[in-house]
This record gives sequence, structure tokens and C-alpha cells, in this order.
Amino acid sequence: GDSVTQMEGPVTLSEEAFLTINCTYTATGYPSLFWYVQYPGEGLQLLLKATKADDKGSNKGFEATYRKETTSFHLEKGSVQVSDSAVYFCALNAGNNRKLIWGLGTSLAVNP
Amino acid sequence: EAGVVQSPRYKIIEKKQPVAFWCNPISGHNTLYWYLQNLGQGPELLIRYENEEAVDDSQLPKDRFSAERLKGVDSTLKIQPAELGDSAVYLCASSPAAGYTGELFFGEGSRLTVL
Repeated sequence: GDSVTQMEGPVTLSEEAFLTINCTYTATGYPSLFWYVQYPGEGLQLLLKATKADDKGSNKGFEATYRKETTSFHLEKGSVQVSDSAVYFCALNAGNNRKLIWGLGTSLAVNP
Repeated sequence: EAGVVQSPRYKIIEKKQPVAFWCNPISGHNTLYWYLQNLGQGPELLIRYENEEAVDDSQLPKDRFSAERLKGVDSTLKIQPAELGDSAVYLCASSPAAGYTGELFFGEGSRLTVL
């Protein structure tokens, strides 16, 4: 079945460091891919998405490129801030069933 | 525009007691989801509604969990009786029926602790 695998956390970085959170997936067909973020004390919210191969989603300085050849959707940011401290979830939606398949989440802590 | 509203934010109960969670989705969103999130895990779908109809409840433990969405707006998720293993965060989300993009709008969640 469809699945998402994320790198395990927690990830701890210093402010202005480069961030990569790996995400790979297994799916039949051509899924849409998402990164959601959960800030402390808040609900999950969509960070960015990509709906077809080679699409690049971007938001708030974060980017992720839909790589069909490597079945990956890695999240990157060139210079993280303390305010980026959160849990990041990779997810996919395959087919028209409106069912998201979620990774386990990666906790990021950014120190000043 | 108001977001998805959930209550209560926190609930502590003894095992075998009943508990109920309430969700008010974003106005105009026909699709409503209840998810379960355990610590260190991703959300797990419990039930999805399209208007009043539960279209996917395959993961809902029906022996103790029930849900309703009367009039296709607000929804209530109930657990009776609660067990220790039900301690988790219960998330409600909504999305518009038309033009589905995969974006779900989540509430802040209801954290349940069963003692």
C-alpha cells in the first residue's frame, strides 16, 4: 500500500543553518505530495505542496521538489530561524479518495 | 475567516468514563475529518464525512467510538467507555468539497488523558 517515510528526528540546528528533512514515498499512480507543519500549541497547517513530477512547492523560504525518479519530496530551507521550530509532516494523496497518508513527523528545534 | 474550532482543548478522565469532542468546521466546507494523533506519530484517519454522510469510517473502532454530523455542519466524536490507550490528541479538519487540492484545515486538537 501507499506509504511515506520521513527521516527521524529530533533535528537540532543553529539559527541560519541549512535544513534538509528527507521524505520518500511509495504509491501507485501519481500522488500529490505535501508538507504540513505543526507549531507548538497550534494545529497542523499546510506548508507547501506539489501535484506532479518536477513540480517545486515553496512557502516561507521552504522548498521541496517532487522527484518521481527517486520517489522523494525532501524539504529544504537555506537559513532556518528560531521561529521555524516545529514538527514537520510529509504526506501524500493518491487517487481521488481524499485520504492523506502521513509520515511520522520530524521535530525541528532551532537554537539562537 | 474563522478557522476550525474544537473543544475542549484538554480533557482528563478516568478509564471507563465517556468523553465527547466537538468540532465546528470552516464555513462552507462540506468535508470533515476526525483524526487521532499519538505522540510521535502522524495523524490517523478515524472518519471522514461528506456533508452528513460518513463516507469512510473503516478505521473507527465502532465498539467504543461513535461520531455524528447532524445537519452537515458541526460534528461530535464520542468515546464510551474510554480506555487508557485512548490517550491521544483528537484532531478535526475540514476541506471544501469542490476543487479539492489535498489541503486540509485543522483545528488545534483536543488532548485526551485517560487515567
